[in-house]
Amino acid sequence: DARVTQTPRHKVTEMGQEVTMRCQPILGHNTVFWYRQTMMQGLELLAYFRNRAPLDDSGMPKDRFSAEMPDATLATLKIQPSEPRDSAVYFCASGREGDTQYFGPGTRLTVL
Amino acid sequence: AQSVTQLGSHVSVSEGALVLLRCNYSSSVPPYLFWYVQYPNQGLQLLLKYTTGATLVKGINGFEAEFKKSETSFHLTKPSAHMSDAAEYFCAVTQSPFGNEKLTFGTGTRLTIIP
Repeated sequence: DARVTQTPRHKVTEMGQEVTMRCQPILGHNTVFWYRQTMMQGLELLAYFRNRAPLDDSGMPKDRFSAEMPDATLATLKIQPSEPRDSAVYFCASGREGDTQYFGPGTRLTVL
Repeated sequence: AQSVTQLGSHVSVSEGALVLLRCNYSSSVPPYLFWYVQYPNQGLQLLLKYTTGATLVKGINGFEAEFKKSETSFHLTKPSAHMSDAAEYFCAVTQSPFGNEKLTFGTGTRLTIIP
């Protein structure tokens, strides 16, 4: 049963620290999405990649957030420095033409 | 630009009663519409989707939704609610029938089932 995996599942950190979240997309999926879920904003797209190239990162605060795909099996989302307002659940999803979009279980980030 | 509006952030129904969750969309191009469900502390799971063809689509767990272009709606229904249906439901719109385009989500509807 193919699944999107995300690590860590939970992260508590202090303001100013660097946070790195990782995602392993489903094998064969060439499109990877990063979404953020908060009570206030709901689910919003941060960035997405196709064939490892960034297509849209307009939803991401550029000064502190960065997203990369070092290879086809790994996507990373980094926050440096982290702030309390970054506390949220971060979801990774993957998809491809001919298939649906599958979501990972999320990383719950708390910035103190 | 595309957007989705979900009416009612919280809906409560009695076990066995009809479930109706509302979703209206706005799109300048033919929309592809999805319903996702999120159980507590879990990711989103696809319930059903409308791409083209039949306007009444059936999904998992007995849910179905009808695409009504004239009303720009895609409401989710289930004839008889079960306790296990308690979750948050998200309507989404995109420009692709597949999973390779970004989704624009509504704000979600939390469904509570009353025993």
